[in-house]
Parts: sequence; C-alpha cells; structure tokens
Amino acid sequence: AQSVTQPDIHITVSEGASLELRCNYSYGATPYLFWYVQSPGQGLQLLLKYFSGDTLVQGIKGFEAEFKRSQSSFNLRKPSVHWSDAAEYFCAVAPNSGGYQKVTFGTGTKLQVIP
Amino acid sequence: DAGVIQSPRHEVTEMGQEVTLRCKPISGHDYLFWYRQTMMRGLELLIYFNNNVPIDDSGMPEDRFSAKMPNASFSTLKIQPSEPRDSAVYFCASSFTQGFSNYGYTFGSGTRLTVV
Repeated sequence: AQSVTQPDIHITVSEGASLELRCNYSYGATPYLFWYVQSPGQGLQLLLKYFSGDTLVQGIKGFEAEFKRSQSSFNLRKPSVHWSDAAEYFCAVAPNSGGYQKVTFGTGTKLQVIP
Repeated sequence: DAGVIQSPRHEVTEMGQEVTLRCKPISGHDYLFWYRQTMMRGLELLIYFNNNVPIDDSGMPEDRFSAKMPNASFSTLKIQPSEPRDSAVYFCASSFTQGFSNYGYTFGSGTRLTVV
C-alpha cells in the first residue's frame, strides 16, 4: 500500500521569501502525485498534479513541484510567498495503475506567513 | 461551474439526534467521496461511490453511519444516532477518471458538525 509523509507539521516564512514544502511517498512504481491547499474554513483545492513526463510540474497560484524518483519525493516550491498563501498544504499519492485508485493524503503542513 | 456544493455549512445537534449531510457533485464527475477531517486523525476517507454505486465503505466508522447516492447529482451522509465524537468537518469531493488518468478531486467547502 502506498503512503505519504510530510515531515514538517508547521512552517513559518517571511512574506517574499522562498518556500519549499517536503513530501515523501512510498510506492513500488511511479504513482500519481498531488498537492492540495486548504484555506481556513474551506475545502481542499488542487494546486497541481504529476502523472508522467516532465518532472517539474507547474500549478496554480505560482506553485511548482518537482518529482524526484531517486528520492521518492515531490516537494512543493514557490519563489516568493504572499501573505495569502498562509494555509495548510496536503501532499497526496495514488497508484498509477488505471481507473480509480485510492488516494492517500499526508497529514498536512501548516504554513504561516509573517510580514 | 458551481463546484461541489455541500449543505449545511454548519450543524449543531444534540447527542442522539439524526444528522443528514448533503452533497451535490460536479456534473459529469463519476466518483464521489465522503471524507471526515479532525485534528487528531486528519483526513479520513469514509466511503466512495462510482456512478452512484457504493464501492468501498470500509472507512465508515460504525453502523450509525450510512451514505446514499440516489442519482448522479446528489448524495447524503447520515449519522443516527449522533455522538459527540462525531464532531468533525465532513467533506464531499468528486472526481472524473478516464482511462489511466486521475484528474484529482474537487472538494466542497465542508460541513462542520458539532454534537453536544
């Protein structure tokens, strides 16, 4: 069974600084990988997804993520954080084996942005 | 597209009462999921449907929970009787899966349930 680990529960960055949120997964083959963002009082919103091909994936709101097979990682990055990026971020993984497969979510990383 | 619509947004009920949560998925999506989110357990998948048919309900905590999807545009999650430990935010999500592509989920805004 697949699993996903987000080692950082809480991260604080200054507005304008760069951001990297870590995600490591466990799966026997190349999975589907996702990043979601949850603003307070809201549902999760899909930021970006990786299926295959180019390992650098661009998403909404200026986010990108890089799939590194050798490290079993899918870290989320943003070059310059805005105060509105304060939210909780979830990495998720699903088997890449056709049709629907169960998505496993990480425990989330809460991002605080300070002026 | 209005997205996934859940109602009510907030529900406060007394222990022992029946609670019904509602969800309207995105038109054309063939999968519907019910999740529960708490601080202690994070996001838990309760049940999911494919083309209105329940596929996996192994995440439903106990017999007090039931879910239905009578048609492609409506689903309910019912708790009867409710208990304080059921207090959580319940999310509905839908997705479209074609062939080998999983297009990701669209979540509703959730229902915050408080059982007192």
